[in-house]
Amino acid sequence: DAGVIQSPRHEVTEMGQEVTLRCKPISGHNSLFWYRQTMMRGLELLIYFNNNVPIDDSGMPEDRFSAKMPNASFSTLKIQPSEPRDSAVYFCASSKTQGAGSYEQYFGPGTRLTVT
Amino acid sequence: GQQVMQIPQYQHVQEGEDFTTYCNSSTTLSNIQWYKQRPGGHPVFLIQLVKSGEVKKQKRLTFQFGEAKKNSSLHITATQTTDVGTYFCACDSGYSTLTFGKGTMLLVSP
Repeated sequence: DAGVIQSPRHEVTEMGQEVTLRCKPISGHNSLFWYRQTMMRGLELLIYFNNNVPIDDSGMPEDRFSAKMPNASFSTLKIQPSEPRDSAVYFCASSKTQGAGSYEQYFGPGTRLTVT
Repeated sequence: GQQVMQIPQYQHVQEGEDFTTYCNSSTTLSNIQWYKQRPGGHPVFLIQLVKSGEVKKQKRLTFQFGEAKKNSSLHITATQTTDVGTYFCACDSGYSTLTFGKGTMLLVSP
């Protein structure tokens, strides 16, 4: 199994530009999570999808952030326009959930975003 | 909202010494998970605890879930350099999502 795949691994962009991060979850997993990790705030949940439907987006910082999951094997996180304070490592994680409760999450390698 | 405190933030030990990290939640949990992140890496699942007072062992690692299901600990016996990394607790209050603690960074000197 290839694990969770994220692209790009590194992204450097200028303030005001649009940034799109991509994630391919593990085949057969029905839950997908986007996290942001910074030294100051730690690991924060941005949005959670179950069966391709956004269930909890309360962690999305503001309207500049949007996420989609058009099918079970692909998700995107878009930032438009980007700002320097968006600089962080963005992780995608997937899990196989059955009913209520949380399950082991498999994290991708992350995308290190730098906004100058 | 739920708050998760993890202490200490950082610990530096000599190889062979023991290590413990503690996690406290402001709310009662349905379960708690522990993850390890190596420097430059991504979080990797270690274990999940579900029952009140549960104790689980993985070789030199011992995980405990408090009786009130609001706290947990991870203890490493006789640390090795391969134990270096940041250990996170991740708390589920019953909403299928996890709230991560800030983590404890462990450094082991040979």
